Amino acid sequence: GAGVSQSPSNKVTEKGKDVELRCDPISGHTALYWYRQSLGQGLEFLIYFQGNSAPDKSGLPSDRFSAERTGGSVSTLTIQRTQQEDSAVYLCASRSGTDGLTQYFGPGTRLTVL
Amino acid sequence: DQQVKQNSPSLSVQEGRISILNCDYTNSMFDYFLWYKKYPAEGPTFLISISSIKDKNEDGRFTVFLNKSAKHLSLHIVPSQPGDSAVYFCAARSQGGSEKLVFGKGTKLTVNP
Repeated sequence: GAGVSQSPSNKVTEKGKDVELRCDPISGHTALYWYRQSLGQGLEFLIYFQGNSAPDKSGLPSDRFSAERTGGSVSTLTIQRTQQEDSAVYLCASRSGTDGLTQYFGPGTRLTVL
Repeated sequence: DQQVKQNSPSLSVQEGRISILNCDYTNSMFDYFLWYKKYPAEGPTFLISISSIKDKNEDGRFTVFLNKSAKHLSLHIVPSQPGDSAVYFCAARSQGGSEKLVFGKGTKLTVNP
């Protein structure tokens, strides 16, 4: 029973470059979430997917951030023209869409923008 | 505005004693509460949850208490073990829609041998 996986585990990039972060949810989980945790802060909601649709994008901090999900499974979070304030741990979580109330998290991707 | 607050950034207890972690919230529309434990360089691990229709839920050494009138919940760990040392996050689920979780900033628990 594989859990949520994320790649890469660490990403160092230069300011202005684009980055892609990947999430593989638990098999069969229809709900997928992206959060980020900045230093010393709690987890901050970014976006929610139900299947391939994203009915709640309210947490995306700017139009440089986008995400997609294909096949009701893998999701990619893209950050364009990265800024230093984008440095954080980006966490993905999935939840069973039928009766699941609990979100299960992946290990996260630590993004550092130099 | 912070809807979920964990006012103690850190807590230190002796092995074998009780650890009590506290959490306050402001949104009365929250209907489900969760505690996650997080070790360094790992993702949060689900620990225990409680529905707003209950006031207590117990799982082994872990018990969560909910006081709706005070908008307060607490996590009790008895007895505390050194392996419990981690950052504990309180989270609340907003009803309907995405059911996204709103997190507190966490409390770092250290259990001393």
